[in-house]
This record gives sequence, structure tokens and C-alpha cells, in this order.
Amino acid sequence: DAKTTQPPSMDCAEGRAANLPCNHSTISGNEYVYWYRQIHSQGPQYIIHGLKNNETNEMASLIITEDRKSSTLILPHATLRDTAVYYCIAETGANNLFFGTGTRLTVIP
Amino acid sequence: GAVVSQHPSWVICKSGTSVKIECRSLDFQATTMFWYRQFPKQSLMLMATSNEGSKATYEQGVEKDKFLINHASLTLSTLTVTSAHPEDSSFYICSESGRRTGEQFFGPGTRLTVL
Repeated sequence: DAKTTQPPSMDCAEGRAANLPCNHSTISGNEYVYWYRQIHSQGPQYIIHGLKNNETNEMASLIITEDRKSSTLILPHATLRDTAVYYCIAETGANNLFFGTGTRLTVIP
Repeated sequence: GAVVSQHPSWVICKSGTSVKIECRSLDFQATTMFWYRQFPKQSLMLMATSNEGSKATYEQGVEKDKFLINHASLTLSTLTVTSAHPEDSSFYICSESGRRTGEQFFGPGTRLTVL
């Protein structure tokens, strides 16, 4: 699995868009980009994933650069309940997810 | 998505005792389940992959004789921490594979404290 790099922490004002970056410069052609989040003392929650096209679902949008070396998870209107650690994972399909240190997002009232 | 439950949600035990943690898939038949461990302020670390009807595959550095995994049915996998010690105190989380590659549904976790 490709290594991913994320900032350790970010703050976002409530109601604003939260943009969480992720670098995966060594990603291979068959690796998807997955985003999970973990709210304190709970199991991780799947958010979204993509290969090369931008994706959107009810939770978030995923923007992947054309060279696929980086991506951004966008929470369009952050709420206090979005405060969590967000993990960006590059995965080949072996179903073994490697969780790095993630980004701790704090949504501020 | 699938619903995964764990029992118990938290447990405190004395050093030397064994503790069994159950992971149930409530609405999906999970051929493969995963067990993770998370120490305070650290990320999740995969311990083992549990396959229904066969032996679990353990990650490097995880003692298979200490962390016994049984996946006897498509809806239940159990992790038994044998002869638990204080250093085994951790947050144990199970997950099951979703229908899409790389997608996993996680249980709520079990917090183990060994005194």
C-alpha cells in the first residue's frame, strides 16, 4: 500500500467547508484512495473512496488530482459532530487497511 | 452499510485472566473479519484477519497463542486475550469487509483494562 501523508491537525469553523489534504505521491495505478474517520472512542467510519475521478456522496466530496499524487476530502458544511480523526488510505484491494496517524479535525463553534 | 456489534463494550479484568471479545455481523454474512488494536493516542493497528472456517492470519509481531481468534460462523468472530497483562490494555476493534474493495464496516470497539 502506498504511504500517505496528512497534516496532524486542522481547525474549521462550524458551517464552513473543511478541506482535508492528503499526499500519496507513490500511489500505484490500481490503488484506490479511501477516507475513514474515527470519532473519539468509536470504531472508524467509512466516508468515501475514489480511483481517479472526483466523487461525491451524502457525507463528503473527494477531489483527486489528475496525477493522483494527492487528494482532498471536503466536508461542505462542517458541524461539531464532524470533529474526529480523518484517515486517508491508499489501498490495492487486499482489504488490509493501513491506518496512518490521520488528521485531527476540530470543528469550532 | 453493514452493522457490526461488539460485546462487551468495555471490560476490566485481573492480570492473568482470559477475556473473550465477540464481534457480530448483524445484517451481513462476513466471510472475512479483521481485528485491530488501538493504544491511547495512537492509530489502529491490524492484528489479524479472521476467515470463516479457517485459521486466522496474524500480522507480524502478534502472538497467535496469546490472541486466539475463532470465526466459526459467517456472523461471529471472537478474539480471546489469554493470560492478559496490563500491557494488553487497549481498545480492540473488529471490522468486516464490505461489498466494495477496501470498504470495511467497523464495530464500536471494546475497551480492555487489565489491572
